[in-house]
Amino acid sequence: DQQVKQNSPSLSVQEGRISILNCDYTNSMFDYFLWYKKYPAEGPTFLISISSIKDKNEDGRFTVFLNKSAKHLSLHIVPSQPGDSAVYFCAAIPAGGTSYGKLTFGQGTILTVHP
Amino acid sequence: NAGVTQTPKFRILKIGQSMTLQCTQDMNHNYMYWYRQDPGMGLKLIYYSVGAGITDKGEVPNGYNVSRSTTEDFPLRLELAAPSQTSVYFCASSYSTGGYNEQFFGPGTRLTVL
Repeated sequence: DQQVKQNSPSLSVQEGRISILNCDYTNSMFDYFLWYKKYPAEGPTFLISISSIKDKNEDGRFTVFLNKSAKHLSLHIVPSQPGDSAVYFCAAIPAGGTSYGKLTFGQGTILTVHP
Repeated sequence: NAGVTQTPKFRILKIGQSMTLQCTQDMNHNYMYWYRQDPGMGLKLIYYSVGAGITDKGEVPNGYNVSRSTTEDFPLRLELAAPSQTSVYFCASSYSTGGYNEQFFGPGTRLTVL
């Protein structure tokens, strides 16, 4: 059972426009959400995160929105740049002292930003 | 700091062979993890460790074993390789202080079992 879902396998946008990547989750115990970015032949790198007590977190061109009632989060990249072309993974951590930071990942969305 | 390093980068195994994937981190992180990523899928947790001498199973542990004798090293052992273990394997580490901490990933090991 896929507890974290990214239903769009790919997204293509023009340079300078907004990229919106979506993620849905089913487990209401998830307490913390992260976005990772992955280039080919490299490991994922942390991008931005949000706690379940917030509905928005911003870091430069990247903003993550969380809608707990809909169990939905999204990553906005404004403006998009060709260097943003990568695979983006949504991930979640459950609440509780025994979670030990274990991540549950979505399938990933391939973002392509065209010059 | 080198961060998280993994060896080898690539490996081809025959069915039934064994191998150890090496993972080392130099950030003095207590928590370490092994994930696998199959094509078109997200990463799935194989095993994790919260400190030297302490390991536990993740979501997909079957066919693998781990050990953690030092803070720095967290090797993953495949005893009898099967084609279903063809995947890209990522090791990660994080701090264990309070709150949630990002995981730092190694570059991965691409394994093919034929």
